[in-house]
Amino acid sequence: DAGVIQSPRHEVTEMGQEVTLRCKPISGHNSLFWYRQTMMRGLELLIYFNNNVPIDDSGMPEDRFSAKMPNASFSTLKIQPSEPRDSAVYFCASSFYGTQYFGPGTRLLVL
Amino acid sequence: AQKITQTQPGMFVQEKEAVTLDCTYDTSDQSYGLFWYKQPSSGEMIFLIYQGSYDEQNATEGRYSLNFQKARKSANLVISASQLGDSAMYFCAMREGGTGANSKLTFGKGITLSVRP
Repeated sequence: DAGVIQSPRHEVTEMGQEVTLRCKPISGHNSLFWYRQTMMRGLELLIYFNNNVPIDDSGMPEDRFSAKMPNASFSTLKIQPSEPRDSAVYFCASSFYGTQYFGPGTRLLVL
Repeated sequence: AQKITQTQPGMFVQEKEAVTLDCTYDTSDQSYGLFWYKQPSSGEMIFLIYQGSYDEQNATEGRYSLNFQKARKSANLVISASQLGDSAMYFCAMREGGTGANSKLTFGKGITLSVRP
């Protein structure tokens, strides 16, 4: 069975550019989570969806960040404009009323 | 107050020995779940084991077991017969409430485990 799929795996961009991260959850899962991991702040929950509806976006750092889940098999996290402090590993995870399974992450570097 | 506390700065264990990684939690919910994840140097987050608050027996998954002490609010991970591949960062996490829509996890800061040959 395919796990959570994230793309791209690595992204290098310049400050001010738009960045779009993509996630395909495990088929049949009804919750999707976006996390950010940095050395300083650890693993932070940014936003999560249940049945494609955003439930809690209190972790989204500011208006530059937005997330969508247009259907059960796809979600995006967008940063516009990007800043160097957004450099981190971004994880997507999905679950079905229980354990969260993580994707491989997207390593973002904003120069 | 932190909901998940992992205070061990770094752990070392000899190959083939057992090791315990500590985790304490704080919640007022009666129904909650506790999870352990492994993050090797390659970066992925791997689910290891789960314990529900109403589970009467400690969870086990192969070489992993969870020493669940509800009154002390601790959920320590025990790895038996350590292998070199167990060297990684280990995260304890908690889900408060049941497995309904509010299923977000709160993670601890993690513990680094190094297995010596």
